[in-house]
Amino acid sequence: RKEVEQDPGPFNVPEGATVAFNCTYSNSASQSFFWYRQDCRKEPKLLMSVYSSGNEDGRFTAQLNRASQYISLLIRDSKLSDSATYLCVVNRALEYNNNDMRFGAGTRLTVKP
Amino acid sequence: NAGVTQTPKFQVLKTGQSMTLQCAQDMNHEYMSWYRQDPGMGLRLIHYSVGAGITDQGEVPNGYNVSRSTTEDFPLRLLSAAPSQTSVYFCASSYTRTQNEFFGPGTRLTVL
Repeated sequence: RKEVEQDPGPFNVPEGATVAFNCTYSNSASQSFFWYRQDCRKEPKLLMSVYSSGNEDGRFTAQLNRASQYISLLIRDSKLSDSATYLCVVNRALEYNNNDMRFGAGTRLTVKP
Repeated sequence: NAGVTQTPKFQVLKTGQSMTLQCAQDMNHEYMSWYRQDPGMGLRLIHYSVGAGITDQGEVPNGYNVSRSTTEDFPLRLLSAAPSQTSVYFCASSYTRTQNEFFGPGTRLTVL
């Protein structure tokens, strides 16, 4: 079983739709969480960090459920420019020098006119 | 700031050849890392460094070497290229290990 699991999609939605992505992680010691966006043949870029209390950035809302080891990303009022692959990332580093960043394989979103 | 830069953008090698992928950052980040990305799989960590002179292995280190002689540079060496190393390689950096990483544009490597 992969440490970070995402529905690969693709999700095909019309402009203006609301779409939600889910992500589960297997290691309960995970400490920090992120959503990245990756355009075709480009590098990943941070979309937002995910905080325990949930957080919002414009049309994007991220939620974390530590008990269920589940992370979500909600995109409201989808734009054509939201078309990309969304990567769920968890970090279970417990010590400053300890690296343990794990990436999901990504969920592909296509927003259509 | 240029951010994180990588060279070359594309490379084709023959099995058994060696080469070095270059990575540099101008953000004075202590933490740098190398990932590979393969279809259907998440990015997987190859090696990382928490500062000049300090490196450690990630999830898939076999066949790769790294060194960190300066804060800015973190080259990745393929010792004897194999077809299984065909992938897209990303270098990344961050202020600390727990903060988000900034990625370079990637190197697309094909090993024949």
